[in-house]
Amino acid sequence: EAEVAQSPRYKITEKSQAVAFWCDPISGHATLYWYRQILGQGPELLVQFQDESVVDDSQLPKDRFSAERLKGVDSTLKIQPAELGDSAMYLCASSLYGARDSPLHFGNGTRLTVT
Amino acid sequence: GNSVTQMEGPVTLSEEAFLTINCTYTATGYPSLFWYVQYPGEGLQLLLKATKADDKGSNKGFEATYRKETTSFHLEKGSVQVSDSAVYFCALSESPWGGNQFYFGTGTSLTVIP
Repeated sequence: EAEVAQSPRYKITEKSQAVAFWCDPISGHATLYWYRQILGQGPELLVQFQDESVVDDSQLPKDRFSAERLKGVDSTLKIQPAELGDSAMYLCASSLYGARDSPLHFGNGTRLTVT
Repeated sequence: GNSVTQMEGPVTLSEEAFLTINCTYTATGYPSLFWYVQYPGEGLQLLLKATKADDKGSNKGFEATYRKETTSFHLEKGSVQVSDSAVYFCALSESPWGGNQFYFGTGTSLTVIP
């Protein structure tokens, strides 16, 4: 079964440093999502792409977070500078466009620790 | 607006006990409903789904029925196993412009003891 690929699996960084996460969705999935999940909570949407366009980034802290999906396939999420409160799991997911019952398919996430 | 409310945990059951995790939703349109499961250190995995009223989703012994009259989608399993220990998330999706928007509950942690 096709999977959403994410890297790195774990990342430890010092505060004020820059960090980047990469995601490759399931082939053919035009909609890509980045979520942040704090331990013990549900996923929180950061940004949603339709092909290469951002369709929802209302919860993205734009002073330090950026996301791109230049060719409408893989995507990068960047944090600069990282803060202690950014420690969380960052999950990428994808779904089919135009299919109302299409579920989200998640990657295994990147566990970020900011020291 | 759209939202999902889940039964708070944690839930601890003995092996072979009956499981119910309650989920209710608020939606502006006609959502699809999902249950996801998350094992420690992993991403969320789809457990089951239902796309219209009275549909029953089922997988691995788990079931949930889309109840429009009570706006509910409760998860049930007749006999839980230790391997079912995980966090369970209820979610809904709507497609206001063709692309799906998802809303998640806060999750319910289940521990099954032998």
